[in-house]
Amino acid sequence: ETGVTQSPTHLIKTRGQQVTLRCSSQSGHNTVSWYQQALGQGPQFIFQYYREEENGRGNFPPRFSGLQFPNYSSELNVNALELDDSALYLCASSLRQLDTEAFFGQGTRLTVV
Amino acid sequence: SQKIEQNSEALNIQEGKTATLTCNYTNYSPAYLQWYRQDPGRGPVFLLLIRENEKEKRKERLKVTFDTTLKQSLFHITASQPADSATYLCALDPSSNTGKLIFGQGTTLQVKP
Repeated sequence: ETGVTQSPTHLIKTRGQQVTLRCSSQSGHNTVSWYQQALGQGPQFIFQYYREEENGRGNFPPRFSGLQFPNYSSELNVNALELDDSALYLCASSLRQLDTEAFFGQGTRLTVV
Repeated sequence: SQKIEQNSEALNIQEGKTATLTCNYTNYSPAYLQWYRQDPGRGPVFLLLIRENEKEKRKERLKVTFDTTLKQSLFHITASQPADSATYLCALDPSSNTGKLIFGQGTTLQVKP
């Protein structure tokens, strides 16, 4: 186990609703990244937080937003859900240093109906 | 355009044989490349990292090579076992030292007894 926990594990939402996903990072890790993984695809980078500030963003619209808290836990918020948002959402924690590996949580499976 | 590609077709091999997975990238100059294992419904698990100045890296039955001229990494599992069956992802950090990983789509390996 990596020490990164995500909640909830599964979620079903209706199109147009809003959702909040949570991530508790590994102890001592100050960087959290969020990824979206569609079925049969590799994870796609959404954004990264370092010391409570957004530190880079992938090709995702503004309705995807996030927060990082002083204890380095994090939230991913998605507004105005679309059917294509159905995916596995992964949180990864790491140290901000060269050659660092990422420690992933088990993911949250989001289904939008 | 920038791309990172893995064999999209599943790889089926017999137990005891060596599995070789390929990762090719274009228009990136990564300082390092990583390999992860992902089981169905779970988050990726880090396996190996290889730096641009390293030709080869080994860990138990795993071996990774990195050819920056060919822009290719090969991932080998020797003496494969059914428990090695999983999806294997390669990832690179295009900006180095940021932890914002770009993943390939993954190759599914099936090892038959």
